[in-house]
Amino acid sequence: DIQMTQSPSTLSASVGDRVTITCRASQSISSLLAWYQQKPGKAPKLLIFRASILESGVPSRFSGSGSGTEFIFTISSLQPDDFATYYCQQYIALGTFGQGTKVEIK
Amino acid sequence: EVQLVESGGGLVQPGGSLRLSCAASGFTFSNYWMTWVRQAPGQGLEWVATIKEDGSNKYYVDSLKGRFTISRDNAKNSVYLQMNSLRVEDTAVYYCARDYGSGSYYAFWGQGTLVTVSS
Repeated sequence: DIQMTQSPSTLSASVGDRVTITCRASQSISSLLAWYQQKPGKAPKLLIFRASILESGVPSRFSGSGSGTEFIFTISSLQPDDFATYYCQQYIALGTFGQGTKVEIK
Repeated sequence: EVQLVESGGGLVQPGGSLRLSCAASGFTFSNYWMTWVRQAPGQGLEWVATIKEDGSNKYYVDSLKGRFTISRDNAKNSVYLQMNSLRVEDTAVYYCARDYGSGSYYAFWGQGTLVTVSS
């Protein structure tokens, strides 16, 4: 089974900050990685697929990069609506998720 | 508009069974793989099971094999999760999600249904 490891688990940041989250796969997953945002009590929302492609309607301050086993998710300038938990998910072999990164207000 | 509506959650005793349903609309259901994902209270997302568009193949997380069964009825635009021998640790919100393609990411999610396993 492919394991996904996100870091950090929690991130404290301020509005306007640049935020970076790392996701590592236990084996190569090519570019078959997605990123989701989840707010309390809500279903996850797809932000990025194929490691770097922005889902329709998602603001351009969100971006993703990487391939193989190392992936980066970036919010270029954190907005008040962005405080949430973010998950990566590999889909080369069904759908393992990372453990999540909570972005909280500093 | 794509809609996924889960139902069937509730309180069940350890060892009991529950069947979750997910009613789909707004797309050609029989063309898409469907997935169940769960989230225990305060925890992360866990992929549970996926079924191919025609039901010919089903995939499960190793830890649940033998207790949970995913199925679908394309005539009713619905996917199901039969959960047997439930344990306290199965307590979670269960989401159904539509695969974008064959076993890929999930662009559409239901609102979730809460399953509580407790005596």
